[in-house]
Amino acid sequence: KAGVTQTPRYLIKTRGQQVTLSCSPISGHRSVSWYQQTPGQGLQFLFEYFSETQRNKGNFPGRFSGRQFSNSRSEMNVSTLELGDSALYLCASSLKQGGNTIYFGEGSWLTVV
Amino acid sequence: AQRVTQPEKLLSVFKGAPVELKCNYSYSGSPELFWYVQYSRQRLQLLLRHISRESIKGFTADLNKGETSFHLKKPFAQEEDSAMYYCALSGISNTGKLIFGQGTTLQVKP
Repeated sequence: KAGVTQTPRYLIKTRGQQVTLSCSPISGHRSVSWYQQTPGQGLQFLFEYFSETQRNKGNFPGRFSGRQFSNSRSEMNVSTLELGDSALYLCASSLKQGGNTIYFGEGSWLTVV
Repeated sequence: AQRVTQPEKLLSVFKGAPVELKCNYSYSGSPELFWYVQYSRQRLQLLLRHISRESIKGFTADLNKGETSFHLKKPFAQEEDSAMYYCALSGISNTGKLIFGQGTTLQVKP
């Protein structure tokens, strides 16, 4: 069974640009959540999607958005990139919303220059 | 406010020594606590969760609601245990939102 797959793995963007990151959950998993990992702030919850609906949102500005498709694949978008958005973005999936083992992807490394 | 605190950034022990990675949490309700581990060049993976009350790779953790702690313990550390360990809390039922501590790097020396 394939694990959580994230693309791209590495990318470099310029301040002001926007970026879209993609996540394919484990087959059969319907819940997808996103986290930002930085050396200073650690792992911080961004948002969670279940059945194409955002169920939970962390404390991030509106520049951070996401969506989930009918096949449970998810994308997150960051607009008007800032230097501080440089981070590892982790996607995680679970069978259903809450109460289950959450499996993480390897992450997408975003560098903003 | 929900918060997870891991007071040690780095814990260095010798092989065969006991290990205790500390985790304290702040949450007014009934939390669900987890330990995640990240080995070098690998993805974050679940090590154990308090409701399972199981031992994984020799590690155990007991939820102490009185002291609001969920320390991770292993009686005899192995070199392959060297990794980054994160304590996490899920305070809202039916949600995939996890609140992570800052992590503790465990270094097991030969």
